[in-house]
Amino acid sequence: GAVVSQHPSRVICKSGTSVKIECRSLDFQATTMFWYRQFPKQSLMLMATSNEGSKATYEQGVEKDKFLINHASLTLSTLTVTSAHPEDSSFYICSARSVGLAGAGNEQFFGPGTRLTVL
Amino acid sequence: GNSVTQMEGPVTLSEEAFLTINCTYTATGYPSLFWYVQYPGEGLQLLLKATKADDKGSNKGFEATYRKETTSFHLEKGSVQVSDSAVYFCALSEPDNDMRFGAGTRLTVKP
Repeated sequence: GAVVSQHPSRVICKSGTSVKIECRSLDFQATTMFWYRQFPKQSLMLMATSNEGSKATYEQGVEKDKFLINHASLTLSTLTVTSAHPEDSSFYICSARSVGLAGAGNEQFFGPGTRLTVL
Repeated sequence: GNSVTQMEGPVTLSEEAFLTINCTYTATGYPSLFWYVQYPGEGLQLLLKATKADDKGSNKGFEATYRKETTSFHLEKGSVQVSDSAVYFCALSEPDNDMRFGAGTRLTVKP
């Protein structure tokens, strides 16, 4: 149980285009979803936190107009990288947390990540 | 604020060697503590966790004990295998707060 999927797993796009990444909790309802970015050989950097039905809370330095987050339902959150540029190339990872999930405590369940390459 | 300090890597060991990766934390309340493992090109997988002081998390031969008195959650394994080569992240989480990660420790196990 507590599986989180991400789609696509890998995407290559041209500079200036927009890319949407989906994050789904497959077998539980996620009250909160998180989006992280990971540069090579570095730790995860939290980009934003989103609760279903409300606006995402972005970390300092993360452009909300650049990285659009929509948490439309308790099982789906999307991250759209708008007008992508090569510096946006990175590994993007989502995670989900459920207050009501038995035994989960404060655990977050992570998706497998999406490798974005902007040419 | 909450934070996690993790042993700097990389760590290179021979197969069957003993592994310790140190992790200490700073928290205002009573966090849950986690160790995640990340294999190349993949997301994070939960390795083990502990939700309160003196709890011991264990999985696949790895262990870590939640030590409140030393604010530590060191990861240990008695005999590592080549397949354990990965990056290991220590993390903490409190209710209504996001998860805080350590910098990650890259482990390479040589045959």
